[in-house]
Amino acid sequence: EVQLQESGPGLVKPSQSLSLTCSVTGYSITSNYWGWIRKFPGNKMEWMGYISYSGTTSYNPSLKSRISITRDTSKNQFFLQLNSVTTEDTATYYCARYGDYGYSFDYWGQGVMVTVSS
Amino acid sequence: DIQMTQSPSFLSASVGDRVTINCKASQNINKYLDWYQQKLGEAPKLLIYNTNSLHTGIPSRFSGSGSGTDFTLTISSLQPEDVATYFCLQHNSGYTFGAGTKLELK
Repeated sequence: EVQLQESGPGLVKPSQSLSLTCSVTGYSITSNYWGWIRKFPGNKMEWMGYISYSGTTSYNPSLKSRISITRDTSKNQFFLQLNSVTTEDTATYYCARYGDYGYSFDYWGQGVMVTVSS
Repeated sequence: DIQMTQSPSFLSASVGDRVTINCKASQNINKYLDWYQQKLGEAPKLLIYNTNSLHTGIPSRFSGSGSGTDFTLTISSLQPEDVATYFCLQHNSGYTFGAGTKLELK
């Protein structure tokens, strides 16, 4: 069974970088695409970006200057780094797998809540 | 950017009821609309992809319909385990999520 689990600090100071890990079991990240999505307080959701099976990336234009998604295939993990965070980056962050039928997300992690506060 | 308007925000229904949730896109998104279910404290779960295709393992009481700008998720006979928040996602042009519908039992 495919399982995804996010991990990382729950509290980040403004202007610092947010770094999260998505650990995948039951499926290789060298297949399919793998994404990050976040849900803000108030429940608005935003797609952040993805990394492909070959390591290529695509980012939300609104985040493009601050975001980086990378991977470690030996550990079957992929990572999110978001730089220069502000309180507006406070959200629950999810990692997810793109399914075999296009751009739908067929498996998600449970999410990790990150608060940006001094 | 494409905007998605999801309605209702909150829905209370009885076991056995037919339940419908709607998403309206600000422009044509063809068939590229998914429905997800999220129970409290759990990961979101894909129910329906590309308007009307049932994801593996999802009960047949869930169905999707629509085209262009107007889409509907239908639960034909509500079960207690269907209490959750449901949201739509368009992926025709970028990605836009609906605001969610919280479904509770009456």
